[in-house]
Amino acid sequence: DAGITQSPRYKITETGRQVTLMCHQTWSHSYMFWYRQDLGHGLRLIYYSAAADITDKGEVPDGYVVSRSKTENFPLTLESATRSQTSVYFCASSGFSGLTGEQYFGPGTRLTVT
Amino acid sequence: GENVEQHPSTLSVQEGDSAVIKCTYSDSASNYFPWYKQELGKRPQLIIDIRSNVGEKKDQRIAVTLNKTAKHFSLHITETQPEDSAVYFCAARGPNYGQNFVFGPGTRLSVLP
Repeated sequence: DAGITQSPRYKITETGRQVTLMCHQTWSHSYMFWYRQDLGHGLRLIYYSAAADITDKGEVPDGYVVSRSKTENFPLTLESATRSQTSVYFCASSGFSGLTGEQYFGPGTRLTVT
Repeated sequence: GENVEQHPSTLSVQEGDSAVIKCTYSDSASNYFPWYKQELGKRPQLIIDIRSNVGEKKDQRIAVTLNKTAKHFSLHITETQPEDSAVYFCAARGPNYGQNFVFGPGTRLSVLP
């Protein structure tokens, strides 16, 4: 579990501000993911990345931007935060392919947009 | 795309009783089904998983069963203990989704002493 970290753990920002959430993993996993968790919706995929410089949209990508210049880092940016983006954000990584592919989750970032 | 439903949304059991949570999925090509446990304020953690070529898998007090024909899979917890209280998420992954999971909405399990 210590192999994947997120920062900050808590963030309060104002509507319209740009916010970047950081995710770092030390396992050299190929795949990385960003989820948001809201009551009643479980975990919804925002963006994912299969490798450095390869990213793709998930279920709820609007309002978010990602990049992955290095295998170990996968930052998530809210370009102009809105109240609807208040949520808990989890980063995850996976190093397997084929029939398994356990995802390891970071500790989460609780974001409040006022 | 894949859609995963999960029932019940909340479940209360007495300590020592069994708990069963059921998930259904829509894509018959899905081939991997993990279950995650999330304690309050913590990250989701894998507790058990099953592949599509297996019908049942056990790990001590927890087991998962898969019915591919009906497209549903279930989590069984026996001899429940207070530390089993958490939110449980099922997920499904299909061969066309890379490493992506589609998660169910979660079940809040409360084990009453």
